[in-house]
Amino acid sequence: LAKTTQPISMDSYEGQEVNITCSHNNIATNDYITWYQQFPSQGPRFIIQGYKTKVTNEVASLFIPADRKSSTLSLPRVSLSDTAVYYCLVGDEGDSSYKLIFGSGTRLLVRP
Amino acid sequence: GAVVSQHPSWVICKSGTSVKIECRSLDFQATTMFWYRQFPKQSLMLMATSNEGSKATYEQGVEKDKFLINHASLTLSTLTVTSAHPEDSSFYICSARGPRAADTQYFGPGTRLTVL
Repeated sequence: LAKTTQPISMDSYEGQEVNITCSHNNIATNDYITWYQQFPSQGPRFIIQGYKTKVTNEVASLFIPADRKSSTLSLPRVSLSDTAVYYCLVGDEGDSSYKLIFGSGTRLLVRP
Repeated sequence: GAVVSQHPSWVICKSGTSVKIECRSLDFQATTMFWYRQFPKQSLMLMATSNEGSKATYEQGVEKDKFLINHASLTLSTLTVTSAHPEDSSFYICSARGPRAADTQYFGPGTRLTVL
């Protein structure tokens, strides 16, 4: 079973900031939190990864509270091309392969 | 980020034939590779995990004799769909990562398999 829960869908408008929150209550000590973006008929594209506190790169920020039971992906000033499915995943350290089990993801629709 | 390639990007075959899909990590050594499949409008489903030089570990419900996985080197894994049938038509995606917990898993572009 996926270890994360996130909203099924979100709507936004061009130029707005979008925050997608993911719940991972059973995150393990060694688990990292990773977010991916997927367009139709393409493989998931890495967005950002973090362990705790805040991580920022050129496309997004990731906020992780101290208890690490949730995380929030922040996309500043979205554009139409950000319409995609966003997945939040935590690695499963159980068998040392850190396999990622995908949940349903969040379908983000950016409107003009 | 690191690059993972897949070949072919799409394939059409007749029912009963076997199809091989290659997954390569182009600029890093992938100690672990994963194979997923995705049906339209659905999420990715993990099929199997393979470590270089070891037998693959299959998820529950995935037939190991039908989906043969080989991870012969640190940069190459192959998935062979044996005796393919129309219900095997799907989007197959591989991913690769290094050995550490902090290593990011990078995904290939996917292979669209259509079995007639």
